[in-house]
Amino acid sequence: DSGVTQTPKHLITATGQRVTLRCSPRSGDLSVYWYQQSLDQGLQFLIQYYNGEERAKGNILERFSAQQFPDLHSELNLSSLELGDSALYFCASSVRGDTQYFGPGTRLTVL
Amino acid sequence: DQQVKQNSPSLSVQEGRISILNCDYTNSMFDYFLWYKKYPAEGPTFLISISSIKDKNEDGRFTVFLNKSAKHLSLHIVPSQPGDSAVYFCAAIPFGNEKLTFGTGTRLTIIP
Repeated sequence: DSGVTQTPKHLITATGQRVTLRCSPRSGDLSVYWYQQSLDQGLQFLIQYYNGEERAKGNILERFSAQQFPDLHSELNLSSLELGDSALYFCASSVRGDTQYFGPGTRLTVL
Repeated sequence: DQQVKQNSPSLSVQEGRISILNCDYTNSMFDYFLWYKKYPAEGPTFLISISSIKDKNEDGRFTVFLNKSAKHLSLHIVPSQPGDSAVYFCAAIPFGNEKLTFGTGTRLTIIP
């Protein structure tokens, strides 16, 4: 158990809908990272927050957004969902920005 | 542009023998490297890391070697155990950044 929690574990929705994925980092970790793992793409970095502020952006679509709240939990919002957004979404946290510890992931299925 | 490459998609090793997983990178700005182990439908689990100022780091059965001139790192597992069967990802972080770039993974199967 990495100490990073993610909810929900599974999410099934339809195209065009909007969903929110939630992540709670390890106690004491200020940085939260979001990654997407789709079948043919491997693990891709989406976005990083540090103590409530956006710190780095990767290949995140404009339809996706994230935020980190004062209690340090983070939410990833995915809107206007397309079939191709079906993937595993992982959250990770770190204290120093080197070793990142991953949550169990949320499996999103868009029908 | 795949900056971190794991050229072997799969590897099978007899239980008790050494498993060697390889990783190559192209970005000279990478200065911190990590190995993660992943089971299906679970998040990656951190195994071991190495800074670019070192060429070797050991932790129990796991040793990571870094050859900066060749832009190559490897993970050695000795002795290999059935529970080591999983997908292994190498990852790298560039200097001044915290964004992990992952390789495509190698599926390791330990044969009893």
